[in-house]
Amino acid sequence: EDQVTQSPEALRLQEGESSSLNCSYTVSGLRGLFWYRQDPGKGPEFLFTLYSAGEEKEKERLKATLTKKESFLHITAPKPEDSATYLCAVRPVMNTGFQKLVFGTGTRLLVSP
Amino acid sequence: DAGVTQSPTHLIKTRGQQVTLRCSPKSGHDTVSWYQQALGQGPQFIFQYYEEEERQRGNFPDRFSGHQFPNYSSELNVNALLLGDSALYLCASSRQGSTDTQYFGPGTRLTVL
Repeated sequence: EDQVTQSPEALRLQEGESSSLNCSYTVSGLRGLFWYRQDPGKGPEFLFTLYSAGEEKEKERLKATLTKKESFLHITAPKPEDSATYLCAVRPVMNTGFQKLVFGTGTRLLVSP
Repeated sequence: DAGVTQSPTHLIKTRGQQVTLRCSPKSGHDTVSWYQQALGQGPQFIFQYYEEEERQRGNFPDRFSGHQFPNYSSELNVNALLLGDSALYLCASSRQGSTDTQYFGPGTRLTVL
């Protein structure tokens, strides 16, 4: 069964203190790994898509990397406005050709000034 | 360019009632997916609509049904509501294809009393 596990569940950082979030996955064929940011009570906001091992994507203070078994979201010198829940999702290969996303439970990040 | 929109924002129902949630996809998108997100959990895939047909379904009972209209907008219907149906219901739109990204709306918060 396709599964996504995120760690840690919660992370508290001081402003400027860099860290990484982990997303490990088991999937029968991968058609993309996605990172989303979600603020309380709102819909997930798309950040990155990664398709193959070794791929990296960057956006401001965030950098996502992908291996065959896991992905990391690196946060460099975070600011309080980076506080949110970060969701990881995989898109398995489907026989039907149609798509679905399988999400982890997220990492709640709190950045203190 | 309008993003994904959902209505209503919040809804309160009692057990046994029926509810209809609505979604308008992002301009240029033809595929709509619905997800249920319980508090503290990641989104769970309910089903996906393309060309006005249900194409993929997750592990949800038949009480959950949907519809897609010719203008690509979609409805999610839930019958015989249970307390456990209380959640944030998310709509995501995309263009049909195995590599496209799903973009999420703000969600509808459903509370069942």
